[in-house]
Amino acid sequence: DAGVTQTPRHEVAEKGQTIILKCEPVSGHNDLFWYRQTKIQGLELLSYFRSKSLMEDGGAFKDRFKAEMLNSSFSTLKIQPTEPKDSAVYLCASRPGQERGFYEQYFGPGTRLTVL
Amino acid sequence: QQKVQQSPESLSVPEGGMASLNCTSSDRNFQYFWWYRQHSGEGPKALMSIFSDGDKKEGRFTAHLNKASLHVSLHIRDSQPSDSALYFCAASEQRISGSFNKLTFGAGTRLAVCP
Repeated sequence: DAGVTQTPRHEVAEKGQTIILKCEPVSGHNDLFWYRQTKIQGLELLSYFRSKSLMEDGGAFKDRFKAEMLNSSFSTLKIQPTEPKDSAVYLCASRPGQERGFYEQYFGPGTRLTVL
Repeated sequence: QQKVQQSPESLSVPEGGMASLNCTSSDRNFQYFWWYRQHSGEGPKALMSIFSDGDKKEGRFTAHLNKASLHVSLHIRDSQPSDSALYFCAASEQRISGSFNKLTFGAGTRLAVCP
């Protein structure tokens, strides 16, 4: 089975630009997560979808960050407008999300975003 | 204050040695713990979970959980250079899905295994 796919792997943007990051979860997984990873803040949850429904949108990230799940096999994270403080690694993860049990999250390789 | 705290921030052990990583939760609602490992340039990957008091062993990795003190540790015996990575402890409030099993991650411990 293919793992979580993220594109692009690297993105460089000018301040004020709009960027869109893409994620394809593991086939059949119902839960999808977007995280931001920085050395200072560590892993921060941006968004969580269950069966394409947005369950959590990460409070502090509401303003300029918007995640969407267009279908069960594709999600995007839009940052508009970008600021230099958005420079980070953005990770997508998926999980089976079945009603019973507790399953690990499978992470993609991440997109490293640099905002100049 | 972070709800999941890890120590040490970094650790260096010789090849073949034992590495011990620690994690403590300040939130008594966190009862279920995971260890994730992240190699440079990759996403984190789950190593093991531990939900019950006591030890859980998987190969060279042993996790220990003390629910009374909300302390969990990870011990890596016979450490290999390939174990060099960032190790995250993650905690969750609920085991049974149906509600949102959000993972709260610690800041990580960077392990270096020197040949």
